[in-house]
Amino acid sequence: SQQGEEDPQALSIQEGENATMNCSYKTSINNLQWYRQNSGRGLVHLILIRSNEREKHSGRLRVTLDTSKKSSSLLITASRAADTASYFCATDPFPSGTYKYIFGTGTRLKVLA
Amino acid sequence: AAGVIQSPRHLIKEKRETATLKCYPIPRHDTVYWYQQGPGQDPQFLISFYEKMQSDKGSIPDRFSAQQFSDYHSELNMSSLELGDSALYFCASSLDAGETQYFGPGTRLLVL
Repeated sequence: SQQGEEDPQALSIQEGENATMNCSYKTSINNLQWYRQNSGRGLVHLILIRSNEREKHSGRLRVTLDTSKKSSSLLITASRAADTASYFCATDPFPSGTYKYIFGTGTRLKVLA
Repeated sequence: AAGVIQSPRHLIKEKRETATLKCYPIPRHDTVYWYQQGPGQDPQFLISFYEKMQSDKGSIPDRFSAQQFSDYHSELNMSSLELGDSALYFCASSLDAGETQYFGPGTRLLVL
């Protein structure tokens, strides 16, 4: 069964607005990562957040993690047309240091110029 | 900075043929992962290797096999190809299990 589910499945916003995507997962995790994928191309790593962290920032990106709710959110501030892509969360499930990621279903973000 | 290299980038095969995909991890990365992403789907974990030994296995068909070589590059061998094998195949590498996985550009396989 799917470990991660993301919502919304699709999001369309105007340039300059903020975009928030959510990811929920089922099992305990060691860490959670967010990736971006442009239209059938490679997966680009954005942020890794470990299970003992609650929030991380990287440029215009902010990721939060709530392990009690088994959920994470990715906020992109001041969005740009170039942010148009699919965004996936991927979890590294317990036990710690497993050798695989389980990806969520992804959110397709479209930023309109 | 060096990234994960995959070859070929595109591959077209007929049903029942065999395909070999190659992955060259980032230097000093000893862990390699393979994922399959079907059209409009999320990436699905296939198999991983740590220090040349298989470390985990996901939803990899028995028709597929993989190995990691002494130079840490990995090959995914796919036999008796089926139409449903058409997908993007990603390789990722990391310094260790649980660390960030960096993905290659993928190999797009089309089975006709």
